[in-house]
Amino acid sequence: QIQLVESGGGVVQPGRSLRLSCAASGFPFSSYGMHWVRQAPGKGLEWVAVIWHDGSNKDYADSVKGRFTISRDNSKNTLYLQMNSLRAEDTAVYYCAKDRNGWYLEDWGQGILVTVSS
Amino acid sequence: DIVMTQSPDSLAVSLGERATINCKSSQSVLYSSSNQNYLAWYQQKPGQPPKLLIYWASTRESGVPDRFSGSGSGTDFTLTISSLQAEDVAVYFCQQYYATPPTFGQGTKLEIK
Repeated sequence: QIQLVESGGGVVQPGRSLRLSCAASGFPFSSYGMHWVRQAPGKGLEWVAVIWHDGSNKDYADSVKGRFTISRDNSKNTLYLQMNSLRAEDTAVYYCAKDRNGWYLEDWGQGILVTVSS
Repeated sequence: DIVMTQSPDSLAVSLGERATINCKSSQSVLYSSSNQNYLAWYQQKPGQPPKLLIYWASTRESGVPDRFSGSGSGTDFTLTISSLQAEDVAVYFCQQYYATPPTFGQGTKLEIK
């Protein structure tokens, strides 16, 4: 059974940093690309970042480029999102998700809420 | 970026009736060499993460009831629920994965009439 469990969310002041983690189990983690997708309260879905299965390539939404860094540790089956210089508009539920043969997302975590507020 | 526009924003359908949700992309998501449309549909129920329903525009994900179907090509796509059940109340999103960044439609809220 595939499981993706996010952690590390919470309330943070504007300009500060936060690191999200996503613990994966039930599938060969090192074989799949992984994504972060976010959803602001009551809003739609916004793709944030992707990392290739081996970590060799990464890509980001323009809205987070230069502030967020996606990474992974395949020995620990864990995906990360380092978020720096946080803004109020980064407030959202952050989901990690697994892709398959293309960037459609076949499995999602339950999500973790990040609130950026003073 | 490819803009995905869904219609309608909300929809109320009677139980057992057909529900149709449309999704239009600002440019074609058909990859000519493979003849595949890079288009997926997701269902999101309140308090839950999105769930993959359809990929490659018309391939139903394993375990998804066959009342859900996807169609269309190029820039115009449709998600059809042939006979609405109570458990289908949700928000539905389309997503293109033809180009980076992958982008989602704004969502269509489906309710029971």
